Amino acid sequence: LAKTTQPISIDSYEGQEVNITCSHNNIATNDYITWYQQFPSQGPRFIIQGYKTKVTNEVASLFIPADRKSSTLSLPRVSLSDTAVYYCLVGQSNFGNEKLTFGTGTRLTIIP
Amino acid sequence: DAGITQSPRHKVTETGTPVTLRCHQTENHRYMYWYRQDPGHGLRLIHYSYGVKDTDKGEVSDGYSVSRSKTEDFLLTLESATSSQTSVYFCAISESNGLNGDGYTFGSGTRLTVV
Repeated sequence: LAKTTQPISIDSYEGQEVNITCSHNNIATNDYITWYQQFPSQGPRFIIQGYKTKVTNEVASLFIPADRKSSTLSLPRVSLSDTAVYYCLVGQSNFGNEKLTFGTGTRLTIIP
Repeated sequence: DAGITQSPRHKVTETGTPVTLRCHQTENHRYMYWYRQDPGHGLRLIHYSYGVKDTDKGEVSDGYSVSRSKTEDFLLTLESATSSQTSVYFCAISESNGLNGDGYTFGSGTRLTVV
């Protein structure tokens, strides 16, 4: 399984765009990149998933460069409610690789 | 989250006693997972299931067993609880293996304290 590295914490102000970068140097050809969000006392929540280039949904955008050795989760115009821990995961999209590892994530704190 | 419930939400038990945590889903998803979350370790996979009576170990399976006799229920058992098993336990479900755009849906967690 590809190991991921994320910043431990990020502070940002309300209304700013926040980018969280995840490094996954040994990503495999069939690996997908998935991001989760976790609030205190809750289970993680799926945010976005991608394989290459750019993926966008109503919550965030995911940018993946051509070499796929890193990815960036972009949160537009953050608010206080975006304060949470964000996890980057890498794994294969085929039967048999269900052992996803979450790591310790990035603690995002939004300042008023 | 709607469609997945964990019980109990909180439990305090004594060292050496057996404990069973239950995860129940109404989504008819094939895959179910048990994770534990501890400060400084993120979430670590204990066991998972890819169908009725089909289970496999995760990275921290020692001291835990699981059973899945029905699609909707996935039980996690601590045969003889130890203080090192004090943790927050999360159950998750996924329709596929969580890597096809759907991701996992997590329950609200069970906070277990072993004294």
